[in-house]
Amino acid sequence: SAVISQKPSRDICQRGTSLTIQCQVDSQVTMMFWYRQQPGQSLTLIATANQGSEATYESGFVIDKFPISRPNLTFSTLTVSNMSPEDSSIYLCSVGSITTADTQYFGPGTRLTVL
Amino acid sequence: QKEVEQDPGPLSVPEGAIVSLNCTYSNSAFQYFMWYRQYSRKGPELLMYTYSSGNKEDGRFTAQVDKSSKYISLFIRDSQPSDSATYLCAMSAVGTGRRALTFGSGTRLQVQP
Repeated sequence: SAVISQKPSRDICQRGTSLTIQCQVDSQVTMMFWYRQQPGQSLTLIATANQGSEATYESGFVIDKFPISRPNLTFSTLTVSNMSPEDSSIYLCSVGSITTADTQYFGPGTRLTVL
Repeated sequence: QKEVEQDPGPLSVPEGAIVSLNCTYSNSAFQYFMWYRQYSRKGPELLMYTYSSGNKEDGRFTAQVDKSSKYISLFIRDSQPSDSATYLCAMSAVGTGRRALTFGSGTRLQVQP
């Protein structure tokens, strides 16, 4: 499986600011995804990060709030904009397996607290 | 109604017990079924992956899928304290293109030494 790293691992931010989370993979992958895991909750897909085109967002998530970049096949960023305490969550990137369809491997996550 | 239902627990068992974790789902299009293990403050780790119906065994872990009942299970034999974690079931449908996963809410397991 691919080795996935995320930066930062955690951060505490003030209301109204923005934070950019980086996801780096050690091999080229076709599919990259961003999930949110709110305290005590399961994972919710935010968007699919498409290389060379705009991300595909799930219902309830918009580009202005969660802009995503994917400049190449090994890297993606998720920005959480104009943050509020409700954005306090763990943000996880995942990559689609290139050998097994519909299987995903996850990064370690970024734990965000908004005050 | 959620697409995937999973008892959140917590489930507490003594060391050496057999653990049964379960999920039910409503979307008959789901074909790929996965179990992830998530330790506290870590990302989910893929444990088992099954396509369509049947059983799959890997060491102490056995995954079962019953598509007729829309029910999947993960069995852990000879449970160890190191198995203490949250277990998430996840599934996806064939041909979605986006390969998006739908997760259960997770079951928190505590194995007592």
